[in-house]
Amino acid sequence: DTAVSQTPKYLVTQMGNDKSIKCEQNLGHDTMYWYKQDSKKFLKIMFSYNNKELIINETVPNRFSPKSPDKAHLNLHINSLELGDSAVYFCASSPRASGIGEQFFGPGTRLTVL
Amino acid sequence: RKEVEQDPGPFNVPEGATVAFNCTYSNSASQSFFWYRQDCRKEPKLLMSVYSSGNEDGRFTAQLNRASQYISLLIRDSKLSDSATYLCVVNPNQGGKLIFGQGTELSVKP
Repeated sequence: DTAVSQTPKYLVTQMGNDKSIKCEQNLGHDTMYWYKQDSKKFLKIMFSYNNKELIINETVPNRFSPKSPDKAHLNLHINSLELGDSAVYFCASSPRASGIGEQFFGPGTRLTVL
Repeated sequence: RKEVEQDPGPFNVPEGATVAFNCTYSNSASQSFFWYRQDCRKEPKLLMSVYSSGNEDGRFTAQLNRASQYISLLIRDSKLSDSATYLCVVNPNQGGKLIFGQGTELSVKP
């Protein structure tokens, strides 16, 4: 069974639309993350939740809104999509928020905004 | 200056070669260090953590030099399956925020 799963895997949409990406982990971890990997391959953290509580909120446009209904799920909603939002979005999880141990990544969602 | 810097490569090496990657980080208070591997169009996966005393896992050896703020990864006897991008990762403050380098691309040729 997949440890960290994301849906959809590919998302192609027009500028101005609103879209959501879903993430689920079945590892029993307390902490989940959203990362963005741009065309230059830099992987940057956007948000982190620990037990449904937001603990990391990087400088991200407020068009991006994460939601964690429970500690196994972390969804990302994006309003008014822009061309610059095109990227691969990775969800990840870790046992704790300390950052000492491994983070487990989902397969990624490749978002293309036309 | 980027928080974590790596030579993006690509490094093109023959099978059996030894190859070394270096990475520098800017925050001297950083606490935890890792190497992740990312295959083309796949997610990053932990390759190894990097400890102050250095550590080895089979053909892979990681070293940390806190004084110079650099981390290295040595791969011996390269295999075709080692072809990937190697990401240097730093945790600056024991929180969950990991800082990723741009990655170094390795291509091992027959």
